[in-house]
Amino acid sequence: DTGVSQDPRHKITKRGQNVTFRCDPISEHNRLYWYRQTLGQGPEFLTYFQNEAQLEKSRLLSDRFSAERPKGSFSTLEIQRTEQGDSAMYLCASSLDRVRSGANVLTFGAGSRLTVL
Amino acid sequence: AQSVTQLGSHVSVSEGALVLLRCNYSSSVPPYLFWYVQYPNQGLQLLLKYTSAATLVKGINGFEAEFKKSETSFHLTKPSAHMSDAAEYFCAVSPLKTSYDKVIFGPGTSLSVIP
Repeated sequence: DTGVSQDPRHKITKRGQNVTFRCDPISEHNRLYWYRQTLGQGPEFLTYFQNEAQLEKSRLLSDRFSAERPKGSFSTLEIQRTEQGDSAMYLCASSLDRVRSGANVLTFGAGSRLTVL
Repeated sequence: AQSVTQLGSHVSVSEGALVLLRCNYSSSVPPYLFWYVQYPNQGLQLLLKYTSAATLVKGINGFEAEFKKSETSFHLTKPSAHMSDAAEYFCAVSPLKTSYDKVIFGPGTSLSVIP
């Protein structure tokens, strides 16, 4: 297994454009998480899935953000009508649910850096 | 709601000196606790985890952390700092309930090691 993969690694876009990020988790992991990280800050929770079901979405998250995980494998995070404040590193992580793993240990991808001009 | 605070956004130690990074959590019941490390231009990696077994947890690279329920703390220590320990360190908390597995991260502490 190659770990958690994220694509693209870097995205530069103009304000108002839509962007989409893709995450491929570790194949046997059924949980998938999206976080956002800005410089000097800890990862901020956005949303997470168990298989294809989205279990929670942050209340702080704008309606411009949407995430999907069709068929419980890869996931996409779309940001519509981007704003300069959306500039950040978007992190994906995966894990096994606690029933099977005993603890919710996250394996992170390298992240997708978004710059909104 | 669960949360994590990390006292000191930046810590500097001399090479060979003790490393102490502080983490306090708020939770109505003892949660699972984690320390992750992020080296420059790399993803987050797990250092160690507390899952309600032994209160003193040993991790990779000589790090360890002690869970103290009375102080709601989970401080990270290493007896002797190495230059390669320079990185960003994040404490994280996750509730024990299996139906609610969101992992919340603290703001992080940047560790510098001075030769």
